[in-house]
Amino acid sequence: GESVGLHLPTLSVQEGDNSIINCAYSNSASDYFIWYKQESGKGPQFIIDIRSNMDKRQGQRVTVLLNKTVKHLSLQIAATQPGDSAVYFCAEARVGSSNTGKLIFGQGTTLQVKP
Amino acid sequence: GAVVSQHPSRVICKSGTSVKIECRSLDFQATTMFWYRQFPKQSLMLMATSNEGSKATYEQGVEKDKFLINHASLTLSTLTVTSAHPEDSSFYICSAGGQPWVKNIQYFGAGTRLSVL
Repeated sequence: GESVGLHLPTLSVQEGDNSIINCAYSNSASDYFIWYKQESGKGPQFIIDIRSNMDKRQGQRVTVLLNKTVKHLSLQIAATQPGDSAVYFCAEARVGSSNTGKLIFGQGTTLQVKP
Repeated sequence: GAVVSQHPSRVICKSGTSVKIECRSLDFQATTMFWYRQFPKQSLMLMATSNEGSKATYEQGVEKDKFLINHASLTLSTLTVTSAHPEDSSFYICSAGGQPWVKNIQYFGAGTRLSVL
């Protein structure tokens, strides 16, 4: 079936190190991906997105990599800070004429930053 | 930009009562809003897609008579949990899309923590 999942439920990193959060998706028809950050008791916050015609996109301290061959998505956070501690979700969508606007969310990875 | 306001942030109610949650897009018009439910340490589960001026589209397994959705304007959608029971206790989150189908970015409200006693 269709699913978007994450490899690791929890990632613990030292402050200042780089973090890599992974996501696997199963539907090759997916053509748009988003990473969200959710802090405890809050709604998800948009971080970065990428279309399937790209394999890399950079933002401020964040980079998203897309490998369509193996259906894998990753979020890299440079110089991880305590404020980066949160749950990170990848989400999948299919834009186009049949687009319903829906997002399919992965299970989430908890990022813990150690001081 | 792209601010979504959700109210209330927390509500406690007695079993059998109804609770209304509001979701507003403050600085953009949202023809489509989405309602999610989230259990502790779990992902977001889409409940329904709310379209302005028309009936909501519910996901499989979500009772439409239990979770009433109204999207009366381009900036407001409401979710009413009718005859709430303890099993309805959860974190409910709404989202709105800013640019229909150009990108599927959804902007989320802060969520509503519902506790049914």
